Amino acid sequence: DIQMTQSPSILSASVGDRVTITCRASQSISSWLAWYQQKPGKAPNLLIYKASSLESGVPSRFSGSGSGTEFTLTISSLQPDDFATYYCQQYNSYSGITFGQGTRLEIK
Amino acid sequence: EVQLVESGGGLVKPGGSLRLSCAASGFTFSSYNMNWVRQAPGKGLEWVSSISSGSSYIYYADSVKGRFTISRDNAKNSLYLQMNSLRAEDTAVYYCARARGGTMIVVVDWGQGTLVTVSS
Repeated sequence: DIQMTQSPSILSASVGDRVTITCRASQSISSWLAWYQQKPGKAPNLLIYKASSLESGVPSRFSGSGSGTEFTLTISSLQPDDFATYYCQQYNSYSGITFGQGTRLEIK
Repeated sequence: EVQLVESGGGLVKPGGSLRLSCAASGFTFSSYNMNWVRQAPGKGLEWVSSISSGSSYIYYADSVKGRFTISRDNAKNSLYLQMNSLRAEDTAVYYCARARGGTMIVVVDWGQGTLVTVSS
């Protein structure tokens, strides 16, 4: 299976900050990558698909980039509602779809 | 409004079986690929299984292959997961998940989840 490694695991930031979360794949996945946000006790919410396509209804402060093995999720100006856990997911092959281990975004 | 409502979770002994169901509404169920994704307590997300809209294509994670069976009934707008030979490591919240149109596993809608606990 393709392994997905997110960094950092925990990120402390303040409202208004620009933050970047990185996701690295153990082999090339082209642009077959999605990003999700999950709040405690809730199901995840899709933010980005195909590495850089913003899902409908998601604020434009969220953006994704990358291809191959390295990808980033950027939040341009953190809002109070953004403090949550973020997961990347590769879907290059249906024989082994995998998520990253998650990045918890905390208030500094 | 899209609704996905899971049921069938509960406490089961190792080696036992459970059947999860997901009742879908608010969209044309037969047109969308569907999935099960699970999350162990305090842990990350793990993809379990996917099924195409017409059931022609089915995929499983290695961790459940041979033990779990995904199926759907488009006439009843329902998705199922038959889980056999359950292990402690299968303990998790199981989410029914609708894929984004044109994809198999980019999830746009999730149920509230149903907890499966495997313990003696």
